[in-house]
Amino acid sequence: QKEVEQNSGPLSVPEGAIASLNCTYSDRGSQSFFWYRQYSGKSPELIMSIYSNGDKEDGRFTAQLNKASQYVSLLIRDSQPSDSATYLCAVIGDTGNQFYFGTGTSLTVIP
Amino acid sequence: DVKVTQSSRYLVKRTGEKVFLECVQDMDHENMFWYRQDPGLGLRLIYFSYDVKMKEKGDIPEGYSVSREKKERFSLILESASTNQTSMYLCASSLVRGGGTGELFFGEGSRLTVL
Repeated sequence: QKEVEQNSGPLSVPEGAIASLNCTYSDRGSQSFFWYRQYSGKSPELIMSIYSNGDKEDGRFTAQLNKASQYVSLLIRDSQPSDSATYLCAVIGDTGNQFYFGTGTSLTVIP
Repeated sequence: DVKVTQSSRYLVKRTGEKVFLECVQDMDHENMFWYRQDPGLGLRLIYFSYDVKMKEKGDIPEGYSVSREKKERFSLILESASTNQTSMYLCASSLVRGGGTGELFFGEGSRLTVL
């Protein structure tokens, strides 16, 4: 069983602050990493993907990957109340056959 | 836009009933998946399929079966529903075999309650 670990939260940040979400994974052979956002009662939607070490920026979102430490993070700058959701970290294992998901971190942005 | 459609948003069944959850995707994706999502346990893979008539067990296949007779359709079957199968069921599809560098597209989910 591949493991993907996330802090369950809840994480609360004030509007305009930076939210930092963290994820570790056990399969050292993993190559592809994703962040999904899931609003209450809705299905997950992809917001970021990252495949190589370093940072990847997309608007207010930055994904960071450190394969040596088996660590991937998501930074949300200028957090908005609409960012309040559960964020799921997902990893494709070394066989390339399955997505493995963390249990998610609940984020609340306080106006 | 990719669309993954699950046939029922909400179902209430009785213990022992046979339950069918249908999923259809409209983007000719090869890969289709069934997950269940429970509070504190996250998304857990039940079954997946890379091709018509092909299926592979995920992490929690017990009590479930699947059918993929056509590329666009992937069905999850609970032969004899039990209360511990009360959950949110999510169907997903992806373009690249094994996910690759592609993304999973999810349906809206089917919330099943077994009484």
